[in-house]
Amino acid sequence: EDQVTQSPEALRLQEGESSSLNCSYTVSGLRGLFWYRQDPGKGPEFLFTLYSAGEEKEKERLKATLTKKESFLHITAPKPEDSATYLCAVTLGYNTDKLIFGTGTRLQVFP
Amino acid sequence: EAGVVQSPRYKIIEKKQPVAFWCNPISGHNTLYWYLQNLGQGPELLIRYENEEAVDDSQLPKDRFSAERLKGVDSTLKIQPAELGDSAVYLCASSLEQGQTQYFGPGTRLLVL
Repeated sequence: EDQVTQSPEALRLQEGESSSLNCSYTVSGLRGLFWYRQDPGKGPEFLFTLYSAGEEKEKERLKATLTKKESFLHITAPKPEDSATYLCAVTLGYNTDKLIFGTGTRLQVFP
Repeated sequence: EAGVVQSPRYKIIEKKQPVAFWCNPISGHNTLYWYLQNLGQGPELLIRYENEEAVDDSQLPKDRFSAERLKGVDSTLKIQPAELGDSAVYLCASSLEQGQTQYFGPGTRLLVL
């Protein structure tokens, strides 16, 4: 069964304390891996798409990386406004349009 | 550029009542999706449209859920009758074409009493 697992479920960081979120997947035929940010009461906001192992993408304090089995979202020197739930999702080669989501990591950054 | 628009943002109804959600995708986006998100979970696909054609509705509970996308632009998702377990967030997303990045609307939060 195609599955996406995110860890940790929740993460509390002090402002400036760098860390990483993990997304591991067991799927047949990965097509793409997506990272979204979701604030309370809002829809997911697109961050990154990764397609092949070794690929990296950056945006401000966020950096996403991809291996053959997992992806990491690295957060460097986070600020309180980075507090949100970060969702990972994959699309598969046999159905490129169906996003399979993990349950997310709830990040809280304290000043 | 305007994002995906959804209405209403919140809806409270009693069980067995009907309810409808509306979605206006990003201009020019041919593919439209409806997702269901339960508390603490990631979104799950209900139905996907390519223009006005529903091409993947395998996860849509067809006994009580229905959807339409007239003229290949706006879409409506309906539940009739609603059950307590339908309380969730209903998200609409759109993409330029099949396989492209999906952009989400703010969602409709449904509470069934």
